Amino acid sequence: GQQVMQIPQYQHVQEGEDFTTYCNSSTTLSNIQWYKQRPGGHPVFLIQLVKSGEVKKQKRLTFQFGEAKKNSSLHITATQTTDVGTYFCAGPAGTASKLTFGTGTRLQVTL
Amino acid sequence: KAGVTQTPRYLIKTRGQQVTLSCSPISGHRSVSWYQQTPGQGLQFLFEYFSETQRNKGNFPGRFSGRQFSNSRSEMNVSTLELGDSALYLCASSLTSPYNEQFFGPGTRLTVL
Repeated sequence: GQQVMQIPQYQHVQEGEDFTTYCNSSTTLSNIQWYKQRPGGHPVFLIQLVKSGEVKKQKRLTFQFGEAKKNSSLHITATQTTDVGTYFCAGPAGTASKLTFGTGTRLQVTL
Repeated sequence: KAGVTQTPRYLIKTRGQQVTLSCSPISGHRSVSWYQQTPGQGLQFLFEYFSETQRNKGNFPGRFSGRQFSNSRSEMNVSTLELGDSALYLCASSLTSPYNEQFFGPGTRLTVL
């Protein structure tokens, strides 16, 4: 079945440093979604990318969808303590009625 | 607009018992998906319902079942609970399918003793 891996599993940065998480799917994705889950919370939708090579920005967050539509990345510039949480990518598993989530990257930011 | 609600928020059961969890999606959303989240396995897809029909199911044993009502509210049931079923069970709703943005509820934390 489809597998979606993310690296790194965990990253600890100082506030102000940049952070990147990478998402790799074993199959081509029709779209990729990104979610953020704060500690003790539930996943919250951040963005969806659909086109090959697409880049979208949300303030300090930059999302990319690979040319082959099998990988994606999320880059955070100048992290803040509010960025703490686990970031998940997710993609439809060959059918629109099932979403496969990546393994997640937990980000810890300290002052 | 009210968000996705899940009840109960916390549940403690013993092995062998059964449990029913409830999810009320955002008004107008017809697709409801269920996920199991554990520290070791991450977010695992359980099943998805649309218009009272299960459209897709994850790789879970038959002890895990669900249903959706005509008002789009959904329930999931786990029978003959095992210790390994301890997890956060999350429900997510979307307009027509998980292909688009999903809105998650706060989850039900199930502990099996």
